Amino acid sequence: AQTVTQSQPEMSVQEAETVTLSCTYDTSESDYYLFWYKQPPSRQMILVIRQEAYKQQNATENRFSVNFQKAAKSFSLKISDSQLGDAAMYFCAYRSATGTASKLTFGTGTRLQVTL
Amino acid sequence: DAGVIQSPRHEVTEMGQEVTLRCKPISGHDYLFWYRQTMMRGLELLIYFNNNVPIDDSGMPEDRFSAKMPNASFSTLKIQPSEPRDSAVYFCASSFSGWEQYFGPGTRLTVT
Repeated sequence: AQTVTQSQPEMSVQEAETVTLSCTYDTSESDYYLFWYKQPPSRQMILVIRQEAYKQQNATENRFSVNFQKAAKSFSLKISDSQLGDAAMYFCAYRSATGTASKLTFGTGTRLQVTL
Repeated sequence: DAGVIQSPRHEVTEMGQEVTLRCKPISGHDYLFWYRQTMMRGLELLIYFNNNVPIDDSGMPEDRFSAKMPNASFSTLKIQPSEPRDSAVYFCASSFSGWEQYFGPGTRLTVT
């Protein structure tokens, strides 16, 4: 079974600075997808960014980018120019690309604080 | 375009009562997922459907939990009888062809 590990329960960043959230995963599969979801105090789970394992290029979405290291099974999220609205729980998630295994496996989350 | 809709947003009930949570997925999506979120266990997948058919219900905690999807635009998660340990936030999510999942706002369930 796949597992996703987020080793940083909490992180803090100053407004306008850059922060990196870590995620590692364990799988024997070669084809899969990885995601970062954001959960603000409103509880809504919001998709931030996704990465296909077969792509070598790291995904980017505006201020959000990932560092995908397939051999190391690492998938970190970098937030540039942090804003107060970035304060939230961030969850890393894994999904197999094979068969009908469409379920997501989530990490335990990292709580990000943004300070002035 | 409306996102995933869940109702109610909050539910408070007494132990032993039946609870029904409702979900309307995004139109055109063929996968629907039910998750439970607690402080102790994080986000857990309970069950998911593909084209209204349950595919994997291995996450359903026990027989007190049941889920149905009578058509492509509606699903229910029922707990009968409810217990205090069922208190959690329950999320419904949908996706197209198993791609990225879009979550509803969640239902916060409190069982006293």
